Amino acid sequence: KQEVTQIPAALSVPEGENLVLNCSFTDSAIYNLQWFRQDPGKGLTSLLLIQSSQREQTSGRLNASLDKSSGRSTLYIAASQPGDSATYLCAVDMNRDDKIIFGKGTRLHILP
Amino acid sequence: EPEVTQTPSHQVTQMGQEVILRCVPISNHLYFYWYRQILGQKVEFLVSFYNNEISEKSEIFDDQFSVERPDGSNFTLKIRSTKLEDSAMYFCASRFRETQYFGPGTRLLVL
Repeated sequence: KQEVTQIPAALSVPEGENLVLNCSFTDSAIYNLQWFRQDPGKGLTSLLLIQSSQREQTSGRLNASLDKSSGRSTLYIAASQPGDSATYLCAVDMNRDDKIIFGKGTRLHILP
Repeated sequence: EPEVTQTPSHQVTQMGQEVILRCVPISNHLYFYWYRQILGQKVEFLVSFYNNEISEKSEIFDDQFSVERPDGSNFTLKIRSTKLEDSAMYFCASRFRETQYFGPGTRLLVL
């Protein structure tokens, strides 16, 4: 059974710092991996999707990497801003038409 | 850009009452999903739906839950007799190719 773990559970950093959020999964036979952002009490915003054949994806200040064989992904946020404060969720897709399995998230707080 | 929409955004109900949560998936999508997130916990899969039938359901999705696509555009989740532990945010999603698109959620509070 696939399990997705995110470390740390919470993180506070000063504005302007670069930071890394970690995600690990137990079954490496994934179809793709996705990072989401969730603001308090709100829905899920997809940030980056990495196919199993890819190593990384970039969007603006965000870079997500995938090491499928070791069951790890990282989300790198450059030059953090207070507006980046949110919970970041990692989720894996085992098959193209299948459900998504989520981690519990990392709650990020950027200090002004 | 097309979006998945959900109504209502919030619903408060008494324990034992029936609730219907509504979703309008993106129009050319063929796979539909319901997930839920209890406060402070993971987003959990409930059910997937394709070709007018359930393709997979989780252990959470017991006989109290049902899904329907009544008119080719709406996708509904019904909870027949709500329990306190059904209080959660419920997300609908639809899929096109490798990407699932999520709606904004319905926050359900069972008193």
